[in-house]
Amino acid sequence: DIQMTQSPSSLSASVGDRVTITCRASQDVSTWLAWYQHKPGKAPKLLISDVSTLQTGVPSRFSGRGSGTDFTLTISSLQPEDFATYFCQQAVSFPWTFGQGTKVEIK
Amino acid sequence: QVQLQESGPGLVKPSETLSLTCTVSGVSISNYYWSWIRQPPGKRLEWIGYFSYSGSTKYNPSLKSRVTFSVDTSNNQLSLNLTSVTAADTAVYYCARESRGGYNWDYWGQGTLVTVSS
Repeated sequence: DIQMTQSPSSLSASVGDRVTITCRASQDVSTWLAWYQHKPGKAPKLLISDVSTLQTGVPSRFSGRGSGTDFTLTISSLQPEDFATYFCQQAVSFPWTFGQGTKVEIK
Repeated sequence: QVQLQESGPGLVKPSETLSLTCTVSGVSISNYYWSWIRQPPGKRLEWIGYFSYSGSTKYNPSLKSRVTFSVDTSNNQLSLNLTSVTAADTAVYYCARESRGGYNWDYWGQGTLVTVSS
């Protein structure tokens, strides 16, 4: 199975901060990489597919980049509603696997 | 508006079968692929498998021998059966709709916690 490792596992930031989360795959996943946002008790939300394709309705402060094994999710200016857990997911090969998540907390 | 809602027993005894239902509204289950995904407490999400109304299925090899998916188009529901459960199967279980682009999920349920304990 492809292992997905996110860093950091958690971070504290203030409203307005620029935040970058890294996702590293144990092998090349090409562009088969998605990012999700998850708030407690809520359904996870797909933010980005294919490394950098923003889903409809997702604010432009979210962006994704990378290729191969190294990927990043950036929030350019953190907003109060962005405090949540973010996780990456690969689908280049079965079984599809997820990162362990990065919890973004209020500083 | 697409909505998914998981339901089922919150407590299952070891060695028994875990059975969950996902009721889908706002879209016909016939037109998409669907997945079950779970998250044990303190651990990462684990994809259980996907399936479609047409019968196409794919299971996570780690669970393949114990998992069965089914669909009820008359009630627009999906079902998951997981046999011979142990404490390691304790998790929040999600159903999710695969996006048109494939391989990721654009709609998820809120999840339901299933605890395996005697």
